[in-house]
Amino acid sequence: DVKVTQSSRYLVKRTGEKVFLECVQDMDHENMFWYRQDPGLGLRLIYFSYDVKMKEKGDIPEGYSVSREKKERFSLILESASTNQTSMYLCASSSPGQGSYEQYFGPGTRLTVT
Amino acid sequence: AQRVTQPEKLLSVFKGAPVELKCNYSYSGSPELFWYVQYSRQRLQLLLRHISRESIKGFTADLNKGETSFHLKKPFAQEEDSAMYYCALGREKLTFGTGTRLTIIP
Repeated sequence: DVKVTQSSRYLVKRTGEKVFLECVQDMDHENMFWYRQDPGLGLRLIYFSYDVKMKEKGDIPEGYSVSREKKERFSLILESASTNQTSMYLCASSSPGQGSYEQYFGPGTRLTVT
Repeated sequence: AQRVTQPEKLLSVFKGAPVELKCNYSYSGSPELFWYVQYSRQRLQLLLRHISRESIKGFTADLNKGETSFHLKKPFAQEEDSAMYYCALGREKLTFGTGTRLTIIP
């Protein structure tokens, strides 16, 4: 059973702070993703990674960066948090190499920036 | 560019009535389409994918390439079907629709 975990369920930060969101998966998946989920906007891809140290921008990368130093861990970094980054952040992983494009999601981190 | 449209943000259906959640897409090539569901206080999870042509929890979805649609259907709604439903398109990267919140009225 695939398990994707995220470091925090709820996070409150101040404007201008540097914020780290961590995601870990335990199924040796190659691909990992960061989305933000907003009412009426659905899920929007921020960044994804298809291998260690490899990353690609998604649809809304501005204000974010990512790090993938180990296969199981994918971090999302908000360099200087702003109020418009208040959102639910979802991490996901998948393994096309295992024959499936299905993405497995973490429980989400609800970030509030004040 | 690929795009997924879910025209209904909210849908309320009486228990026992048929359910149809609409999804239209634009994609150049052969798409892979999925329905994901998020129940209250649970994580987003795959409901079904078009290539498997299976029925999950009584739901089915047929890919109509002529109409570029992948509507999700269930003949008799149950209260436990109340959830947020997302249609998604793609392969390595998925594009999600904006979602439909389905509420089943007892």
